[in-house]
Amino acid sequence: EPEVTQTPSHQVTQMGQEVILRCVPISNHLYFYWYRQILGQKVEFLVSFYNNEISEKSEIFDDQFSVERPDGSNFTLKIRSTKLEDSAMYFCASILPPEAFFGQGTRLTVV
Amino acid sequence: ELKVEQNPLFLSMQEGKNYTIYCNYSTTSDRLYWYRQDPGKSLESLFVLLSNGAVKQEGRLMASLDTKARLSTLHITAAVHDLSATYFCAVDRSARQLTFGSGTQLTVLP
Repeated sequence: EPEVTQTPSHQVTQMGQEVILRCVPISNHLYFYWYRQILGQKVEFLVSFYNNEISEKSEIFDDQFSVERPDGSNFTLKIRSTKLEDSAMYFCASILPPEAFFGQGTRLTVV
Repeated sequence: ELKVEQNPLFLSMQEGKNYTIYCNYSTTSDRLYWYRQDPGKSLESLFVLLSNGAVKQEGRLMASLDTKARLSTLHITAAVHDLSATYFCAVDRSARQLTFGSGTQLTVLP
């Protein structure tokens, strides 16, 4: 199975700090998504990205969040000022329909 | 708004038994996916179903899709302990997002 790579695997940050989560999607894929999963709960959609712009975003994806594909390969999720409730597993997905593969996730812990 | 409902949410079954997980969705979709998640791990792709009547099988798992009923099933045959995990269905419309069900936590008991 093709691989989607996320870094770091685990990040601990203080409340109010900025974090950047990174993803390297599959090279010929076109659509990129971010999801989060609070421990033991549902997989929640954050944002989708296509052709270098956001195509859809959820209510969770407020002004504290942003996404970029700065160099044509990496796909990043930035949280500007983290809150305790941002603690979750964050997954990147790489899509070329019908293929849809997820990275191994970044566990974000806000203290 | 697309809604995806899975049931049951929790399932304990004995080894060797058969069972079915159900996934209902509220509007037409382009694709339906099944994923497996082990605790603390990522979402492992199991199946993608594209059209009405599609059936796919891998080992003891078989997935099917009825687009008219907006229903997909994941059937487990002769369960073994290694199948213990959480199973998610997810529905895609126009490649804008995958909407996930709540997941079914499966425990296979010896």
